Amino acid sequence: DTGVSQDPRHKITKRGQNVTFRCDPISEHNRLYWYRQTLGQGPEFLTYFQNEAQLEKSRLLSDRFSAERPKGSFSTLEIQRTEQGDSAMYLCASTPGQGPRETQYFGPGTRLLVL
Amino acid sequence: AQKITQTQPGMFVQEKEAVTLDCTYDTSDPSYGLFWYKQPSSGEMIFLIYQGSYDQQNATEGRYSLNFQKARKSANLVISASQLGDSAMYFCAMSFSNDYKLSFGAGTTVTVRA
Repeated sequence: DTGVSQDPRHKITKRGQNVTFRCDPISEHNRLYWYRQTLGQGPEFLTYFQNEAQLEKSRLLSDRFSAERPKGSFSTLEIQRTEQGDSAMYLCASTPGQGPRETQYFGPGTRLLVL
Repeated sequence: AQKITQTQPGMFVQEKEAVTLDCTYDTSDPSYGLFWYKQPSSGEMIFLIYQGSYDQQNATEGRYSLNFQKARKSANLVISASQLGDSAMYFCAMSFSNDYKLSFGAGTTVTVRA
């Protein structure tokens, strides 16, 4: 399977703990996106990378959130000092990065529950 | 500001019938792309169909077709011959010429009845 993969698929943590999620995009896709989806809502953009450069961050991405893509391949999203409001599905997507309005291909998501 | 509206929170459709999911949008950008995604209960967002704002023809992809009315700023998804496996959440999304991220509507839940 050469689609977008995410790990873990599910994460339960206690409030105040740090968590880290990983996303592996489709091979040779240069752009990688992170979204957050709360129950009953559409996904909301968090941030995106062009290769290893983080080019845009949403105001949703508070100081407790950090994302990296150190070698331009996989990406990690870390949430420090988790809060119950961080409970959501975290989705990753990728595109070839050759122009605007490309179709984004999503991974299966990581469901986070903060107790 | 760009905004996407899906007014139908939930719909029921009989197996083998067609269903139309509404999507309207508001933008002053003349160049944009419209996407529809399916999200089953497993959570993965599955790409269904794409329509560019300058495309002359309505997009079709198998049982999916897009009724694109640019002047009315609507991009409704039509699913023909519904199957039980079509039961899912459906999202309309947009991206713009100078903006690579997707903006999503709130979604419509479709339940196909046997």
